[in-house]
Amino acid sequence: DAKTTQPTSMDCAEGRAANLPCNHSTISGNEYVYWYRQIHSQGPQYIIHGLKNNETNEMASLIITEDRKSSTLILPHATLRDTAVYYCIVSTYGGSQGNLIFGKGTKLSVKP
Amino acid sequence: GAVVSQHPSWVICKSGTSVKIECRSLDFQATTMFWYRQFPKQSLMLMATSNEGSKATYEQGVEKDKFLINHASLTLSTLTVTSAHPEDSSFYICSARGASSGSGELFFGEGSRLTVL
Repeated sequence: DAKTTQPTSMDCAEGRAANLPCNHSTISGNEYVYWYRQIHSQGPQYIIHGLKNNETNEMASLIITEDRKSSTLILPHATLRDTAVYYCIVSTYGGSQGNLIFGKGTKLSVKP
Repeated sequence: GAVVSQHPSWVICKSGTSVKIECRSLDFQATTMFWYRQFPKQSLMLMATSNEGSKATYEQGVEKDKFLINHASLTLSTLTVTSAHPEDSSFYICSARGASSGSGELFFGEGSRLTVL
């Protein structure tokens, strides 16, 4: 699987948008971009994923550049409960090869 | 969304004993389950891939005789840490993918924290 590069940590004010960047310059054509987050001492939680087009769900938006070499996860109105480590992962879709390889992620701290 | 449950959520055992951790998919059939391990302040590391009805596939460096994985049904996979030692103390997390996972994401359990004294 392609590797990703994320900032180690970020701060965000409560109520403001949190924009988390991710570089994946060696992504293959059949690899998706997945975002998960892990709140302390819990299992990872799925947020969103996409291939080429921008995606939005009730949790977040995912913006993927046209060349697919980078993406941004946007939490539109961050709350204190969004404090977590956010992982950007590229992986093929489905099947036993579709396991996720976690990097170090970005530790997002939402401050009041 | 789909739910994956692990049991126990935490366990303390003596060195040399064996510990079994269960991973269940509660509302879907999981043809494939993955086991991860996470040490403090580190990221998740994939240990093995468990396929229903067949032998698990272990990642390089993971001892298959020490970490026994059984995926006997479409809703249950177990990880047994045999002859546990203090260095096996870690946060063990399972994830599951449905037989017809249309959206592609993996569902993770809550994790099981093992402390070996």
